[in-house]
Amino acid sequence: GENVEQHPSTLSVQEGDSAVIKCTYSDSASNYFPWYKQELGKGPQLIIDIRSNVGEKKDQRIAVTLNKTAKHFSLHITETQPEDSAVYFCAAIHKGGTSYGKLTFGQGTILTVHP
Amino acid sequence: NAGVTQTPKFQVLKTGQSMTLQCAQDMNHNSMYWYRQDPGMGLRLIYYSASEGTTDKGEVPNGYNVSRLNKREFSLRLESAAPSQTSVYFCASNEVGAYQPQHFGDGTRLSIL
Repeated sequence: GENVEQHPSTLSVQEGDSAVIKCTYSDSASNYFPWYKQELGKGPQLIIDIRSNVGEKKDQRIAVTLNKTAKHFSLHITETQPEDSAVYFCAAIHKGGTSYGKLTFGQGTILTVHP
Repeated sequence: NAGVTQTPKFQVLKTGQSMTLQCAQDMNHNSMYWYRQDPGMGLRLIYYSASEGTTDKGEVPNGYNVSRLNKREFSLRLESAAPSQTSVYFCASNEVGAYQPQHFGDGTRLSIL
Protein backbone atom coordinates (compact mmCIF):
# COMPACT_ATOMS: atom_id res chain seq x y z
CA GLY A 1 0.00 0.00 0.00
CA GLU A 2 0.86 3.67 -0.04
CA ASN A 3 3.19 5.20 2.56
CA VAL A 4 3.48 8.96 3.08
CA GLU A 5 6.30 10.55 5.09
CA GLN A 6 5.96 14.18 6.22
CA HIS A 7 8.63 16.55 7.53
CA PRO A 8 9.20 18.44 9.71
CA SER A 9 6.99 17.33 12.60
CA THR A 10 7.12 20.83 14.10
CA LEU A 11 7.87 24.17 12.47
CA SER A 12 8.17 27.54 14.17
CA VAL A 13 8.37 30.78 12.17
CA GLN A 14 8.05 34.50 12.70
CA GLU A 15 5.06 36.31 11.29
CA GLY A 16 5.77 37.33 7.71
CA ASP A 17 8.25 34.53 7.08
CA SER A 18 7.64 31.63 4.70
CA ALA A 19 6.95 28.07 5.78
CA VAL A 20 7.62 24.89 3.79
CA ILE A 21 6.39 21.39 4.60
CA LYS A 22 7.56 18.41 2.58
CA CYS A 23 6.08 14.97 1.92
CA THR A 24 7.28 11.91 0.08
CA TYR A 25 5.12 9.03 -1.13
CA SER A 26 5.90 5.48 -2.12
CA ASP A 27 3.28 4.45 -4.67
CA SER A 28 4.13 5.79 -8.11
CA ALA A 29 0.48 5.22 -9.12
CA SER A 30 -0.77 7.86 -6.66
CA ASN A 31 -2.22 10.74 -8.64
CA TYR A 32 -3.97 13.12 -6.26
CA PHE A 33 -2.35 14.99 -3.36
CA PRO A 34 -4.51 17.10 -1.01
CA TRP A 35 -3.31 19.20 1.92
CA TYR A 36 -5.42 19.62 5.05
CA LYS A 37 -5.28 22.16 7.87
CA GLN A 38 -6.51 21.13 11.31
CA GLU A 39 -7.21 23.72 13.98
CA LEU A 40 -7.44 22.79 17.64
CA GLY A 41 -10.57 20.82 18.42
CA LYS A 42 -11.67 20.71 14.79
CA GLY A 43 -11.58 18.24 11.94
CA PRO A 44 -9.15 18.57 9.02
CA GLN A 45 -10.14 21.03 6.32
CA LEU A 46 -8.90 20.90 2.73
CA ILE A 47 -6.80 23.96 1.87
CA ILE A 48 -5.29 23.03 -1.50
CA ASP A 49 -4.78 19.99 -3.69
CA ILE A 50 -2.81 19.01 -6.76
CA ARG A 51 -3.22 16.36 -9.42
CA SER A 52 -0.39 14.35 -10.89
CA ASN A 53 -0.62 16.05 -14.27
CA VAL A 54 0.24 19.45 -12.71
CA GLY A 55 3.59 20.55 -11.31
CA GLU A 56 2.48 23.55 -9.25
CA LYS A 57 -0.70 25.16 -8.01
CA LYS A 58 -1.20 28.45 -6.16
CA ASP A 59 -4.03 29.92 -4.14
CA GLN A 60 -3.19 33.35 -2.71
CA ARG A 61 -0.48 32.77 -0.05
CA ILE A 62 -0.51 29.00 -0.41
CA ALA A 63 1.18 26.93 -3.10
CA VAL A 64 1.85 23.26 -3.64
CA THR A 65 4.55 21.74 -5.84
CA LEU A 66 4.80 18.17 -7.08
CA ASN A 67 7.82 16.25 -8.36
CA LYS A 68 6.51 12.95 -9.72
CA THR A 69 9.95 11.63 -10.61
CA ALA A 70 11.22 12.03 -7.06
CA LYS A 71 7.79 11.21 -5.59
CA HIS A 72 7.62 14.21 -3.32
CA PHE A 73 5.36 17.22 -2.93
CA SER A 74 5.55 20.33 -0.79
CA LEU A 75 3.31 22.98 0.75
CA HIS A 76 4.55 26.56 0.70
CA ILE A 77 2.95 29.29 2.81
CA THR A 78 4.20 32.83 2.23
CA GLU A 79 3.74 35.90 4.45
CA THR A 80 2.66 33.72 7.36
CA GLN A 81 0.15 35.06 9.87
CA PRO A 82 -0.67 33.91 13.42
CA GLU A 83 -3.93 32.42 12.16
CA ASP A 84 -1.89 30.04 10.00
CA SER A 85 -0.87 28.27 13.23
CA ALA A 86 -2.36 24.76 13.04
CA VAL A 87 -1.51 21.16 12.23
CA TYR A 88 -1.03 20.50 8.52
CA PHE A 89 -1.42 17.09 6.89
CA CYS A 90 -0.43 15.96 3.45
CA ALA A 91 -2.13 12.98 1.84
CA ALA A 92 -1.96 10.84 -1.27
CA ILE A 93 -4.53 8.82 -3.10
CA HIS A 94 -4.67 6.53 -6.05
CA LYS A 95 -7.85 7.33 -7.91
CA GLY A 96 -8.85 4.00 -9.33
CA GLY A 97 -8.38 0.32 -8.70
CA THR A 98 -8.76 -1.16 -5.25
CA SER A 99 -7.51 2.03 -3.55
CA TYR A 100 -10.32 4.19 -4.89
CA GLY A 101 -11.31 6.84 -2.38
CA LYS A 102 -8.81 5.88 0.32
CA LEU A 103 -6.49 8.64 1.48
CA THR A 104 -3.13 7.88 3.08
CA PHE A 105 -2.06 10.70 5.39
CA GLY A 106 1.33 11.94 6.48
CA GLN A 107 2.12 12.21 10.19
CA GLY A 108 1.32 15.94 10.40
CA THR A 109 3.30 19.15 10.98
CA ILE A 110 2.55 21.49 13.87
CA LEU A 111 3.09 25.01 12.50
CA THR A 112 3.45 27.86 14.97
CA VAL A 113 3.59 31.45 13.71
CA HIS A 114 4.92 33.90 16.31
CA PRO A 115 3.65 37.50 16.15
CA ASN B 1 -25.49 23.75 6.33
CA ALA B 2 -24.07 21.50 9.06
CA GLY B 3 -21.84 19.33 6.81
CA VAL B 4 -20.64 16.28 8.76
CA THR B 5 -21.98 15.90 12.31
CA GLN B 6 -20.48 13.49 14.82
CA THR B 7 -21.91 12.45 18.18
CA PRO B 8 -20.89 12.33 20.92
CA LYS B 9 -18.01 14.82 21.05
CA PHE B 10 -16.41 13.22 24.12
CA GLN B 11 -16.78 9.84 25.78
CA VAL B 12 -15.04 7.86 28.52
CA LEU B 13 -15.47 4.09 28.59
CA LYS B 14 -14.23 1.25 30.72
CA THR B 15 -12.37 -1.65 29.14
CA GLY B 16 -14.84 -4.17 27.77
CA GLN B 17 -17.74 -1.77 27.35
CA SER B 18 -19.37 -1.29 23.96
CA MET B 19 -20.25 1.91 22.18
CA THR B 20 -21.48 3.25 18.86
CA LEU B 21 -20.16 6.48 17.36
CA GLN B 22 -22.64 8.24 15.14
CA CYS B 23 -21.98 10.21 11.95
CA ALA B 24 -24.41 12.00 9.65
CA GLN B 25 -23.84 14.17 6.60
CA ASP B 26 -26.28 16.48 4.88
CA MET B 27 -24.38 17.00 1.61
CA ASN B 28 -25.97 14.04 -0.21
CA HIS B 29 -22.54 12.40 -0.55
CA ASN B 30 -22.30 8.78 -1.61
CA SER B 31 -19.04 7.87 0.14
CA MET B 32 -18.32 7.97 3.87
CA TYR B 33 -15.25 7.13 5.97
CA TRP B 34 -14.11 6.53 9.53
CA TYR B 35 -10.57 7.48 10.62
CA ARG B 36 -8.71 7.44 13.88
CA GLN B 37 -6.10 10.04 14.78
CA ASP B 38 -3.25 9.25 17.14
CA PRO B 39 -0.30 11.49 18.03
CA GLY B 40 2.50 11.32 15.46
CA MET B 41 0.59 8.95 13.18
CA GLY B 42 -1.70 11.16 11.16
CA LEU B 43 -5.13 9.82 10.33
CA ARG B 44 -5.59 6.15 9.60
CA LEU B 45 -8.59 4.71 7.78
CA ILE B 46 -10.67 2.23 9.78
CA TYR B 47 -13.58 1.50 7.43
CA TYR B 48 -15.20 3.17 4.49
CA SER B 49 -18.45 2.96 2.55
CA ALA B 50 -18.12 3.79 -1.13
CA SER B 51 -21.88 3.92 -1.51
CA GLU B 52 -25.05 3.08 0.40
CA GLY B 53 -25.21 -0.64 1.10
CA THR B 54 -21.45 -1.29 0.85
CA THR B 55 -18.67 -1.23 3.43
CA ASP B 56 -14.99 -2.15 3.21
CA LYS B 57 -12.06 -2.45 5.58
CA GLY B 58 -9.40 0.20 5.71
CA GLU B 59 -5.92 0.10 7.23
CA VAL B 60 -6.86 -0.58 10.88
CA PRO B 61 -10.27 -2.37 11.04
CA ASN B 62 -9.61 -4.83 13.89
CA GLY B 63 -11.89 -4.28 16.89
CA TYR B 64 -14.43 -2.21 14.97
CA ASN B 65 -17.63 -2.74 13.02
CA VAL B 66 -19.57 -0.31 10.87
CA SER B 67 -23.08 0.14 9.56
CA ARG B 68 -24.16 2.30 6.64
CA LEU B 69 -27.68 2.91 7.91
CA ASN B 70 -28.77 4.98 4.90
CA LYS B 71 -27.17 7.49 2.56
CA ARG B 72 -26.78 10.08 5.34
CA GLU B 73 -25.58 7.97 8.26
CA PHE B 74 -22.51 5.82 8.90
CA SER B 75 -21.89 4.46 12.39
CA LEU B 76 -18.80 2.94 14.00
CA ARG B 77 -19.15 0.36 16.77
CA LEU B 78 -16.66 -0.82 19.36
CA GLU B 79 -17.96 -4.15 20.65
CA SER B 80 -15.47 -4.59 23.50
CA ALA B 81 -13.42 -1.45 24.02
CA ALA B 82 -9.69 -1.73 24.73
CA PRO B 83 -7.25 0.96 25.97
CA SER B 84 -5.49 0.80 22.58
CA GLN B 85 -8.65 2.24 21.05
CA THR B 86 -8.24 5.49 22.95
CA SER B 87 -8.09 8.01 20.15
CA VAL B 88 -9.86 10.80 18.31
CA TYR B 89 -12.26 9.44 15.71
CA PHE B 90 -13.18 11.37 12.59
CA CYS B 91 -15.93 10.76 10.09
CA ALA B 92 -15.67 12.11 6.55
CA SER B 93 -17.70 12.09 3.37
CA ASN B 94 -17.30 12.95 -0.30
CA GLU B 95 -18.98 12.58 -3.61
CA VAL B 96 -18.01 9.77 -5.92
CA GLY B 97 -15.82 10.96 -8.75
CA ALA B 98 -12.26 11.83 -9.52
CA TYR B 99 -10.62 14.26 -7.13
CA GLN B 100 -13.61 14.95 -4.91
CA PRO B 101 -12.34 16.31 -1.56
CA GLN B 102 -13.30 14.65 1.70
CA HIS B 103 -15.21 16.75 4.23
CA PHE B 104 -14.54 15.97 7.89
CA GLY B 105 -16.57 16.25 11.07
CA ASP B 106 -15.06 17.71 14.25
CA GLY B 107 -14.33 14.35 15.82
CA THR B 108 -15.22 12.21 18.83
CA ARG B 109 -12.61 12.12 21.58
CA LEU B 110 -12.75 8.66 23.13
CA SER B 111 -10.86 7.54 26.25
CA ILE B 112 -10.88 3.94 27.40
CA LEU B 113 -9.75 3.24 30.93
